[in-house]
Amino acid sequence: EVQLVQSGAEVKRPGESLRISCKGSQYSFTTYWITWVRQMPGKGLEWMGRIDPSDSDTNYSPSCQGHVTISADKSITTAYLQWSRLKASDTAIYYCARHGRDNHGYFHGMDVWGQGTTVTVSS
Amino acid sequence: DIVMTQSPDSLTVSLGERATINCKSSQSVLYSSNNRNYLGWYQQQAGQPPKLLIYWASTRESGVPDRFSGSGSGTDFTLTISSLQAEDVAVYYCQQYYSPPFTFGPGTRVDIK
Repeated sequence: EVQLVQSGAEVKRPGESLRISCKGSQYSFTTYWITWVRQMPGKGLEWMGRIDPSDSDTNYSPSCQGHVTISADKSITTAYLQWSRLKASDTAIYYCARHGRDNHGYFHGMDVWGQGTTVTVSS
Repeated sequence: DIVMTQSPDSLTVSLGERATINCKSSQSVLYSSNNRNYLGWYQQQAGQPPKLLIYWASTRESGVPDRFSGSGSGTDFTLTISSLQAEDVAVYYCQQYYSPPFTFGPGTRVDIK
């Protein structure tokens, strides 16, 4: 079964650093983009950014640019989302998701999702 | 950035009745070179990750019941649930993947009347 398995819940203080992970299995990891999506408590979905694991090419949402870093280690089929200085407003559930590809190779919507990682930032 | 809007914010529908959700993008998401609309629909049930229902605006993802259908082109799109079932209670989001940032709509909550 194609899967994305995310790391466990985190509780952090403002100003601390954090890296969460998303491990892909049972598919060719470098063939599909990985996207990160934020969901703040009781709110909708926010696209944060995406990475092409084959060459680490990335795009970020303007609201996230400079505050988070998306990376990937294709040798262990794992993508990462990291912060150098957390804020209380980073409290949210973070999902990783794989962009599907159709028979012609075009990337489309996110067809496989991780279970989500809850990040709580509080003093 | 492409801004996605949805209407209504919420709707309540009787079991077996039709539910219709609208989505509008601030610019066209139709890619002329391949004639595809870069628009997807997702369902998020309470406490669960989102699930892809529709991509290319009208292609149903494998395993999705055929009561779910998508239509539209350019800037205006619709998700229709032809006969609402109890398990369809959820929030539904549209998303454009035409150009980054791949923005989502604000969501439409669907409940049973």
